[in-house]
Amino acid sequence: GAGVSQTPSNKVTEKGKYVELRCDPISGHTALYWYRQSLGQGPEFLIYFQGTGAADDSGLPNDRFFAVRPEGSVSTLKIQRTERGDSAVYLCASSPAGGDYGYTFGSGTRLTVV
Amino acid sequence: QKEVEQDPGPLSVPEGAIVSLNCTYSNSAFQYFMWYRQYSRKGPELLMYTYSSGNKEDGRFTAQVDKSSKYISLFIRDSQPSDSATYLCAMRNTGGFKTIFGAGTRLFVKA
Repeated sequence: GAGVSQTPSNKVTEKGKYVELRCDPISGHTALYWYRQSLGQGPEFLIYFQGTGAADDSGLPNDRFFAVRPEGSVSTLKIQRTERGDSAVYLCASSPAGGDYGYTFGSGTRLTVV
Repeated sequence: QKEVEQDPGPLSVPEGAIVSLNCTYSNSAFQYFMWYRQYSRKGPELLMYTYSSGNKEDGRFTAQVDKSSKYISLFIRDSQPSDSATYLCAMRNTGGFKTIFGAGTRLFVKA
């Protein structure tokens, strides 16, 4: 596609529920990243995929967070037993290779846990 | 102490002014330096990137990196109301997978 597409754009869920956030990167981009941005803060790294494998998942805050990219294109970020502190904008980005020269970000999914 | 420090502002300037945005950092291994612009409710958009020290110019934008001082800057000449946004500095080291972002400076350019 022309850009990085994230769905849904907004998600409101109840505390304790499970959510899935989807990212469709730019076609041909092998590197895919998930970041989380809280109000008034810069994006914080969550996980990096090179192809189908997670090359670095050191930013995932705990085992309630999991992400997959089974065919090396679309990725899904999964959050179990959501907590109010998980409320943030979840950003996906992609790049042709390692991303040394920057990424293309999607518009994000605004997650609100009530 | 955060790895990347950036004054959150807000910074308010009149149209046509020269704007200076800055970040300091603590990790001497950072080699790639970027500036992103983020409009409200949008994802960050890459403006400039620089490798190691030096200057880079692109239209009204100039990025500077001073690795000896661990200090980077973005200058915007002839600022326009459409430049009103949050500006995020970002950096990473060679071979690293993650980019570290500053908190962003909110800029308002008044017509």
